[in-house]
Amino acid sequence: GQNIDQPTEMTATEGAIVQINCTYQTSGFNGLFWYQQHAGEAPTFLSYNVLDGLEEKGRFSSFLSRSKGYSYLLLKELQMKDSASYLCAVRGGDSSYKLIFGSGTRLLVRP
Amino acid sequence: DGGITQSPKYLFRKEGQNVTLSCEQNLNHDAMYWYRQDPGQGLRLIYYSQIVNDFQKGDIAEGYSVSREKKESFPLTVTSAQKNPTAFYLCASKTADNSNQPQHFGDGTRLSIL
Repeated sequence: GQNIDQPTEMTATEGAIVQINCTYQTSGFNGLFWYQQHAGEAPTFLSYNVLDGLEEKGRFSSFLSRSKGYSYLLLKELQMKDSASYLCAVRGGDSSYKLIFGSGTRLLVRP
Repeated sequence: DGGITQSPKYLFRKEGQNVTLSCEQNLNHDAMYWYRQDPGQGLRLIYYSQIVNDFQKGDIAEGYSVSREKKESFPLTVTSAQKNPTAFYLCASKTADNSNQPQHFGDGTRLSIL
């Protein structure tokens, strides 16, 4: 089967660093995406990893280990506006190139 | 400004009624998608279209129908056969289905039962 696991909720303090983990088991792998979604709004693209290693983009970084089926999203210098859900999505290896989404991690940033 | 427009933002359905959710994009994207999002769950794929006049079922297509007569438009009909339609519906598009570009999402339509 195909499965993506993320923690349901996390809490962190403004100015701190938080790491959101994502593990996956899929039939094939063609890349992993992270999206941010504020309540009732559209998901917005944050990062894409297809090779092992760290991709850095400002305060946000994403890491991938294909051999371990594991990724994390690292958020630095947390701001109140970072309170949102973070969705991990894997592009499978079958011909449809469909995205398989995790249930999302709801992050609450406290003052 | 280029983007994806979904309408209406809120929609109410009566028992036995079909309703259609609109999705329009001016990004010149070939591929378009419809997802359903329920509280505490990830996005689940309903239907997708890789090119005009072609579409495929996703993981939860039962009770839904789509059409793709124009590149810009991918409307979703929630039929009376869908017994639990209350959810947040998201439309997305990308340049081509087989590219590694991210999907871009519309602002969603929240559907409720009267």
